[in-house]
Amino acid sequence: DIVMTQSPDSLAVSLGERATINCKSSQSVLHSPNNKNYVTWYQQKPGQPPKLLIYWASTRESGVPDRFSGSGSGTDFTLTISGLQAEDVAVYYCQQFYNTPYTFGQGTKLEIK
Amino acid sequence: QVQLQESGPGLVKASQTLSLTCTVSGGSISSGGYYWNWIRQPPGKGLEWIGFISYSGNTIYNPSLKSRFTISLDTSKNQFSLSLNSVTAADTAVYFCAKDKDASGVGTFDYWGQGTLVTVSS
Repeated sequence: DIVMTQSPDSLAVSLGERATINCKSSQSVLHSPNNKNYVTWYQQKPGQPPKLLIYWASTRESGVPDRFSGSGSGTDFTLTISGLQAEDVAVYYCQQFYNTPYTFGQGTKLEIK
Repeated sequence: QVQLQESGPGLVKASQTLSLTCTVSGGSISSGGYYWNWIRQPPGKGLEWIGFISYSGNTIYNPSLKSRFTISLDTSKNQFSLSLNSVTAADTAVYFCAKDKDASGVGTFDYWGQGTLVTVSS
């Protein structure tokens, strides 16, 4: 199984500042034939299901604010939230869909400083 | 707009079989080539992918879960189901059903049910 490891486990950022969450996969999730990275980012608020934010490592889902961006390739990926807003308080998960079983990172809890 | 809704018992006794159903509305479960997934989340913990069933009934499961799960499709009711036998306390979790974003089982989930908490009692 591909292991996804996120850092940090928790993060406190001031409103309006930038939040950066990292995700490392135990093997490359870059599919050479299409040059796509098989990584997704989700946001989960308490009592709610996860919400799709970013897929293919950097493609923003329709309706997701452009302050959310994804980057990285191979084994190292980053979710960046530029200009943190109060409603961004949540747990964020990365996930690989390079192969089954699909696996998630352990989650990063984002709070307001 | 596709909507998914899980249903099933909230409490199951250890060693018994858990059965959950996901009802899909806003689209046909057997068209579009989508794959339909089950994912669970123990209280206060992270997400674990259980498996999926394709629009045509093919299944793939997480091998770490030791073949205790079965996913099935009922196209007449626009539902898919999850069965888990010999449950233990470790199976206590919120169970989510989710739809693949793209056809042919991409593995990115764009629509989720609200989740249903299943507690296994001794």
